[in-house]
Amino acid sequence: DIQLTQSPSSVSASVGDRVTITCRASQDISSWLAWYQQTPGKAPKLLIFAASSLQSGVPSRFRGSGSGTDFTLTISSLQPEDSATYYCQHADSFPWTFGQGTKVEIK
Amino acid sequence: QVQLVQSGAEVRKPGASVKVSCKASGYTFTSYDFNWVRQASGQGLEWMGWMNPDSGNRGYVQKFQDRVAMTWDTSTSTAYMELSTLRSDDTAVYFCARTYHATGALDQWGQGTLVTVSS
Repeated sequence: DIQLTQSPSSVSASVGDRVTITCRASQDISSWLAWYQQTPGKAPKLLIFAASSLQSGVPSRFRGSGSGTDFTLTISSLQPEDSATYYCQHADSFPWTFGQGTKVEIK
Repeated sequence: QVQLVQSGAEVRKPGASVKVSCKASGYTFTSYDFNWVRQASGQGLEWMGWMNPDSGNRGYVQKFQDRVAMTWDTSTSTAYMELSTLRSDDTAVYFCARTYHATGALDQWGQGTLVTVSS
């Protein structure tokens, strides 16, 4: 199975800061990567698919990049509503797996 | 609008089975794959498997292979996930989610169903 390792596991930043989360795959997954945002008690919300494509309705401050084994989710200007846990997920081959999550907190 | 509405919370004893439903609306049910994902309290997301209501194909994560069954009823646009021989570590919120065309991304999610396994 392909393992996804996210870093950091948590980050605390101020409103307006740039936040970067990385996701490393244990083998080449091309661009078969998605990013999700989850707030407590809610279902995950798709932010990015195919590594860098912004899902409809998602603010443009969210940006995905990378291919192969190394991927990044960047929030260009952190907003209070971005406080959440973020997960990456690959769809290169079965079984699909998720990263362990990165909790983003607002200072 | 597209909606996935899941059945309510369930409590089961160890060794029992549970069947969670997910009713889709707002789109053609057979045009998209379905997935089931679970999340134990305070833990991450765990993909359990997928099904295609059009082709009939489905696939399960090996750890669930002997205990899970994903089915559907196209007449009611409802997907089902049945998990048997429940253990305490199956206590989790179970989500259904639709695959976004051929991207492998999950673009629509149900609200989640809490399954509690306790004696």
